[in-house]
Amino acid sequence: DTEVTQTPKHLVMGMTNKKSLKCEQHMGHRAMYWYKQKAKKPPELMFVYSYEKLSINESVPSRFSPECPNSSLLNLHLHALQPEDSALYLCASSHQGTRELFFGEGSRLTVL
Amino acid sequence: EDQVTQSPEALRLQEGESSSLNCSYTVSGLRGLFWYRQDPGKGPEFLFTLYSAGEEKEKERLKATLTKKESFLHITAPKPEDSATYLCAVQPIGGRGSTLGRLYFGRGTQLTVWP
Repeated sequence: DTEVTQTPKHLVMGMTNKKSLKCEQHMGHRAMYWYKQKAKKPPELMFVYSYEKLSINESVPSRFSPECPNSSLLNLHLHALQPEDSALYLCASSHQGTRELFFGEGSRLTVL
Repeated sequence: EDQVTQSPEALRLQEGESSSLNCSYTVSGLRGLFWYRQDPGKGPEFLFTLYSAGEEKEKERLKATLTKKESFLHITAPKPEDSATYLCAVQPIGGRGSTLGRLYFGRGTQLTVWP
């Protein structure tokens, strides 16, 4: 079972809205990731959580706020986004010490 | 600087016409090289991991190989359902997040297989 579940699949929000993206995995993975992907571009790393602690923040603007409530859940809180933040947001997980990342289906975000 | 370059950017094949996709990389040391398949609007689907030069992995019509500077994804007798973007990613040894699965992706090869 290599399932990473992301919700919602699609999200449209205005620049003044606050919304959240959610990610869940039940594979026992202890590392979880947020990636951002624009059309026809490769995924770009945003955040890495290891054992529920933020390990890497790739200089992401503060309007993106990650949260890892427990080892199975990862959230991305969104506030005051810009239209250029519209993208596919991908969650991934991996076993600590192994290398393969398993991705969810993504959340397609549109900022108006 | 670590870099991953994939070629060609796009490839159109007739069903049954075998071909190869290339991924060349420049890293100070390679912890692993990964191939993913991505369908439009979906997340990348893991295909293979290669760790050392000379290693080969196979899955159905796909075969991945690795040298010290590049990897090839060979597609034998492709079918229309193999149409997707194929992403290559590397995990270098050392640096921030090297033990955390931090990957550097290439731009991908968009493969179209027509009947």
